[in-house]
Amino acid sequence: NAGVMQNPRHLVRRRGQEARLRCSPMKGHSHVYWYRQLPEEGLKFMVYLQKENIIDESGMPKERFSAEFPKEGPSILRIQQVVRGDSAAYFCASVTDNLNTGELFFGEGSRLTVL
Amino acid sequence: GNSVTQMEGPVTLSEEAFLTINCTYTATGYPSLFWYVQYPGEGLQLLLKATKADDKGSNKGFEATYRKETTSFHLEKGSVQVSDSAVYFCALSDRVNFNKFYFGSGTKLNVKP
Repeated sequence: NAGVMQNPRHLVRRRGQEARLRCSPMKGHSHVYWYRQLPEEGLKFMVYLQKENIIDESGMPKERFSAEFPKEGPSILRIQQVVRGDSAAYFCASVTDNLNTGELFFGEGSRLTVL
Repeated sequence: GNSVTQMEGPVTLSEEAFLTINCTYTATGYPSLFWYVQYPGEGLQLLLKATKADDKGSNKGFEATYRKETTSFHLEKGSVQVSDSAVYFCALSDRVNFNKFYFGSGTKLNVKP
């Protein structure tokens, strides 16, 4: 049973370009979370999605950032017109539908560097 | 609302020393509590968890007890190793509110030989 898969692991973009980060949750998981981690800092919640639905996007900047989790395929976090401040590690995590279990499984992260 | 507060780091210990990382929480319901560990350059891994009051989670020599009366979930290990050097995150999940998760700010542990 493969874990949470994120790609790319490393991404370099110039200011103004677009970054697309992909996350495939664990098999059987239909809930996905995205977190951002700046160097030497903690995790900042960005968005929580279920298949075809955004449940909570309160942590995501209103501009330039968007997320989706289509019926088929991975979840995608999209950052348009990147700026240097977007440089960070972006982690995806998934959880089963069983709310009593409540354990998050994390991917290895995608590290975005904006030049 | 829900939140998690954990002690600031870094915490520096010598090998075989006793470790405590404090974690307290506020919650409106009956959360599950977790400790995650992050090694350099990697994602977070679940270290242990507890789903109800008085439960003790344990793994790899680490332990934490869900204390409802003190709203705490302190992480302990009797004898740390250099390989335990990592960042430790305390977290809770609100199973009532769409399964939202709340993380502490993380505590960096450095263990010296």
